[in-house]
Amino acid sequence: GENVEQHPSTLSVQEGDSAVIKCTYSDSASNYFPWYKQELGKRPQLIIDIRSNVGEKKDQRIAVTLNKTAKHFSLHITETQPEDSAVYFCAARNFGNEKLTFGTGTRLTIIP
Amino acid sequence: EAEVAQSPRYKITEKSQAVAFWCDPISGHATLYWYRQILGQGPELLVQFQDESVVDDSQLPKDRFSAERLKGVDSTLKIQPAELGDSAMYLCASRTGAQETQYFGPGTRLLVL
Repeated sequence: GENVEQHPSTLSVQEGDSAVIKCTYSDSASNYFPWYKQELGKRPQLIIDIRSNVGEKKDQRIAVTLNKTAKHFSLHITETQPEDSAVYFCAARNFGNEKLTFGTGTRLTIIP
Repeated sequence: EAEVAQSPRYKITEKSQAVAFWCDPISGHATLYWYRQILGQGPELLVQFQDESVVDDSQLPKDRFSAERLKGVDSTLKIQPAELGDSAMYLCASRTGAQETQYFGPGTRLLVL
């Protein structure tokens, strides 16, 4: 089955700086890669996603890049703000069975 | 904006007792998922429904867990008997067939004593 590894597990960034979270996946058949943000005690919420036919996608301060050859994808947050503090999960979906496999999460802390 | 609803939000039970969680997906969402999220980890799929049919329950511990979605709308996840290791957040998610985005509910946090 699919295996998704996520690094780092914790990340502290000065407010205004950029944050990068990286994930690798094992199944070359995976074709959809969402990123979820989960604030303490709240539901995971989709913040951005990318499909395998696209190399990069951007939405304001958030961007995701995908390298299919290397089977890795990354989340980039620029101009970080205190409200960006949360746990971020990457995931990969297998085209065949539609199952989402999640990474282990990154706890991002923005230091004011 | 429509959201996935779950109840209860918190449940404390003693081991060997039975517990049940309820999920009401966003209206019109045919696909429903139950996930278990252990503290500090990502959600893990327990069961996936397409309408009233189970599509994937390969990770569901069937000796103690059961799930149903009788009318293809809301769903119930049951654990009987509960064990200490079942303490976790149980998340429900749903999506339409036309979109890939899964929308999550607020979860039920279960503590087994």
